[in-house]
Formats: sequence, C-alpha cells, structure tokens
Amino acid sequence: EIVLTQSPGTLSLSPGDRATLSCRASQSISSNYLAWYQQSPGQAPRLLIYGASSRATGIPDRFSGSGSGTDFTLTISRLEAEDFAVYYCQQYGASPTFGQGTKLEIK
Amino acid sequence: EGQLVESGGGLVKPGGSLRLSCAASGFSFSDEWMSWVRQAPGKGPEWVGRIKSKVDGGTTVYAAPVKGRFTISRDDSKNTFFLQMNSLKTEDTAVYFCTTHVHFCSGSNCYVLDAFDVWGPGTVVTVSS
Repeated sequence: EIVLTQSPGTLSLSPGDRATLSCRASQSISSNYLAWYQQSPGQAPRLLIYGASSRATGIPDRFSGSGSGTDFTLTISRLEAEDFAVYYCQQYGASPTFGQGTKLEIK
Repeated sequence: EGQLVESGGGLVKPGGSLRLSCAASGFSFSDEWMSWVRQAPGKGPEWVGRIKSKVDGGTTVYAAPVKGRFTISRDDSKNTFFLQMNSLKTEDTAVYFCTTHVHFCSGSNCYVLDAFDVWGPGTVVTVSS
C-alpha cells in the first residue's frame, strides 16, 4: 500500500496569502497519478486536481498542482474566504489511498 | 451536471449487515465506473471498492479491509449502485460516499482514472452494540 503523508497538519494564513501544501508518497507514484481534493465541514470532498497538475472542471486557476515521483504540491495563489477547508491528496497509481489531510485555517 | 444520492445508512450491531444504495441522475450511468469511498469520524477518506461499467467488463475490486465482507453491484436499468456490507465491525463506522470516476482523453485515446469526480452527500453507517 502506498502511504501518503501530508504536511503541514494545519496551515494558518490570511485571505490574499499564498498557500503551499505538501504530499509525500512512501514510494514513487506511476504516471503522476495524484489527485487533490477540498473538503468543507459536513460536505463531500471536491476534486480539484488530477494527474498531479490538471485542474478539474470548474476549478479556478488560483489552484495549481505540481510534482512527480514521491513529492507533490498544491498551491493556492491568493486565498479567498471559501478556500479555508481541509485538503487531501490521493494516489491512484496503485490501489487508491488518501493522505491524512491538511487543515487550512484563517489566521 | 450529474448527481448522486446515497441511502440505507443507519445503526447496526457488530456482525450485522446493511445494504447501501446510490441513485444517479443527470448523466449516462451505464457508461460510468463507480466507487464507494468512506470516511471515519475525524479521518481522511478511504476507498472501499469499485465496479466498472458493463461495457468495460463490469468487474469489481475491493480494498483489503473489506474484501470478502462487502459486495458492490449495479442495476443500470434503475441507475442505481449498491454496497452490501456483511459481518460489520465497529471500525466500519463511517460516512459512506458513492462517486464517479474521472475520464481523461489524450488525443483519440480515452481512459478512466481511479480519481473521484462527482460525489454524493454521503450516508452515515454506525456499527455499535
């Protein structure tokens, strides 16, 4: 099983700031099969990024993904109020697994 | 835009059974691969299992913690997808979501990815004595 470790556990920033979230895999992820999701309280996760860097339909361009192999990054260029949520990475190069999440909170 | 709605959750004793349903609308359900993903309280999501479309073979695959206890099926005539859960354990307590899979095309080649596109709101399953 591929284990995904996300850091930091909690990130405290202000609207307008730039957010950088990290996801590290226990082994290399084939074909950059890495996705990112956003989850607000009481809601289902929402797909943001797949293939490490492809935005899902309707996702604003302030969200971007990068990385390869074992190290991946989600960047939110200018935080808006609705961006404060929990973010999960997920790999699908092998049997799908998710990270434990990064909580993005208002400073 | 596609919509999914789960039902069938509830409180069940350890060792018991429960059947979840997922009703789909707004898209061509029979063409879609479908998955169940669960999320225990305060934890990250966990993939449970998947069923392919019938045109792609209709086969199922399961995560290790549920293999042999859970069964996924589909009824394309009713745009509905199911999760039969037997021999339930306390660690199966979670919100259960049904999801579609991402479609990706590069040139004339199209693929279905094990990333999850449309999600239902979830149904709560509590396993407790």
